[in-house]
Amino acid sequence: SQTIHQWPATLVQPVGSPLSLECTVEGTSNPNLYWYRQAAGRGLQLLFYSVGIGQISSEVPQNLSASRPQDRQFILSSKKLLLSDSGFYLCAWSVPQVPAMEKLFFGSGTQLSVL
Amino acid sequence: RKEVEQDPGPFNVPEGATVAFNCTYSNSASQSFFWYRQDCRKEPKLLMSVYSSGNEDGRFTAQLNRASQYISLLIRDSKLSDSATYLCVVNIGGTYKYIFGTGTRLKVLA
Repeated sequence: SQTIHQWPATLVQPVGSPLSLECTVEGTSNPNLYWYRQAAGRGLQLLFYSVGIGQISSEVPQNLSASRPQDRQFILSSKKLLLSDSGFYLCAWSVPQVPAMEKLFFGSGTQLSVL
Repeated sequence: RKEVEQDPGPFNVPEGATVAFNCTYSNSASQSFFWYRQDCRKEPKLLMSVYSSGNEDGRFTAQLNRASQYISLLIRDSKLSDSATYLCVVNIGGTYKYIFGTGTRLKVLA
């Protein structure tokens, strides 16, 4: 069965520090991968999605970036965090072109607090 | 106008009540529709897909109205454990983008 791992669960970082969040998927090949952010009391905002290794689409201009160095690995990064980067970051995957599997499945999320 | 809109609630209902949520979407190219459940500080979990003909899963019924561009979720015989935020999700046809509504909070009261 497919599983998705996301870490760390909680992170407290000072303003201006770098960020690296990692997500890996097991049990499937060539998944679509996503990074979402949920600010306190707000909906999920799509940040990046990827349909293959090295292929990244950005939805919102910001100081974040994403990379997909391996098929089932998705990394969210920042060189310098801002206060506004605080939020709940969620990695997700879906299986493309398989109608019964087109649903999104989420990792357990990372609660990031930038102080 | 937001791409996917939901009433934020909260909906406070007694145990055993029936409650309905609506969600509207603006992009007529939307192709797939889902309801997710999210507990506080947890990841969203798929509750059910929404099919054109309507579908039911136990106490939950989902319906889609493409002409009016809205989706509904009906929960019958509410349980305390149904308390959560319910997210409406739309997949834009021809893309890999899933757009989330801001969610509707449900509180089932004893």
